[in-house]
Amino acid sequence: ETGVTQTPRHLVMGMTNKKSLKCEQHLGHNAMYWYKQSAKKPLELMFVYSLEERVENNSVPSRFSPECPNSSHLFLHLHTLQPEDSALYLCASSQEDSQNYGYTFGSGTRLTVV
Amino acid sequence: KNQVEQSPQSLIILEGKNCTLQCNYTVSPFSNLRWYKQDTGRGPVSLTIMTFSENTKSNGRYTATLDADTKQSSLHITASQLSDSASYICVVSLNDYKLSFGAGTTVTVRA
Repeated sequence: ETGVTQTPRHLVMGMTNKKSLKCEQHLGHNAMYWYKQSAKKPLELMFVYSLEERVENNSVPSRFSPECPNSSHLFLHLHTLQPEDSALYLCASSQEDSQNYGYTFGSGTRLTVV
Repeated sequence: KNQVEQSPQSLIILEGKNCTLQCNYTVSPFSNLRWYKQDTGRGPVSLTIMTFSENTKSNGRYTATLDADTKQSSLHITASQLSDSASYICVVSLNDYKLSFGAGTTVTVRA
């Protein structure tokens, strides 16, 4: 375990379903991130939360809705998704203002939209 | 056009052999450059982090180099093992939130 835990590991949902992805970090970091990873493509930043405030929303469709209730937890609420939203969704955390900060990633949620 | 280009896209090597992965970037200036290893079905794990003033950084059998003049970095894997089979991702960081990711190089080590 890296210290960043994502659940579920796999999720299959229909286009009319509503589901949520969960991320929890036990590293004491103050920033959390959602990334989308599609096959053979670079990771795409979706959302950034710093000190529980959303500081970045990378033109993500409204069918993805993030929530950060505290510095240790991050959610991604999903509704009316499209098949092209099928991907690996990665959560990461970091400690801002650290000279050699690094990201710690979770193992991801493999999402399939049918 | 992606600001971080990696090559090759994939490669196959025999166990025990060495290999070098390339990363060319256009992000400038930048805070640091990182190499991550991503096993299938897992999240990326950090291998090395280099600031723009560093030329090389090692982590066991992994050695990363950085040439800020030519905007190139490489990751050298020495005496490859089967467990090195993974995707290796080059990431250039502008600041806390602005990270540019390469698409990765998939390495397959065969016995």
